[in-house]
Amino acid sequence: SYVLTQPPSVSVAPGKTARITCGGNNIGGTSVHWYQQKPGQAPVLVIYYDSDRPSGIPERFSGSNSGNTATLTISRVEAGDEADYYCQVWDTSSDLGVFGGGTKLTVL
Amino acid sequence: QITLKESGPTLVKPTQTLTLTCTFSGFSLSTGGVGVGWIRQPPGKALEWLALIYWNDDKRYSPSLKSRLTITKDTSKNQVVLTMTNMDPVDTATYYCAHSFVAGTLHFDYWGQGTLVTVSS
Repeated sequence: SYVLTQPPSVSVAPGKTARITCGGNNIGGTSVHWYQQKPGQAPVLVIYYDSDRPSGIPERFSGSNSGNTATLTISRVEAGDEADYYCQVWDTSSDLGVFGGGTKLTVL
Repeated sequence: QITLKESGPTLVKPTQTLTLTCTFSGFSLSTGGVGVGWIRQPPGKALEWLALIYWNDDKRYSPSLKSRLTITKDTSKNQVVLTMTNMDPVDTATYYCAHSFVAGTLHFDYWGQGTLVTVSS
């Protein structure tokens, strides 16, 4: 089955840029979706189809996807961005869902 | 607006069968392209996709749990039911249901609040 690999943690100072990666075999050949999950809350979709933002998600959140790595970029990081972030793909060859292992973003 | 809510037992014993219900509003599971999925999250661990049912009653299951899972829908009641057999303490998790729309590759745009299920004797 398809495997998505994320770094367990990323730390960034307020106002700086955070980049969270999601690795997978030829992941650039499919669409990647990203979720933000704060403690005790359900996940929230922040990026879909690699780089689209749902309504209500700040423009500071952006995404890219190429080759074997997809990246969620958070610009001008705020304390409120501290959360776990998960990437997800739908493996079209098997028609099954896959989540990455999650990355804890810490705002220093 | 789209809302989903999970319901079911908070505590089940090992070997028992878990039945969870997702009750939703704001969309119909008879509309082409719509799906409802189940995702779980053990305490302190990552999200794990479990199952999905499409508007046309097509179903998909996680390969690792396929033998234990059944997903069904009741369109008239706006409900999706997930059953998981032979529960084990490692199945202790928060279980979420989520809405999806199949346009391109599938993602989950609306989530329920989740329900914590503990497996213990």
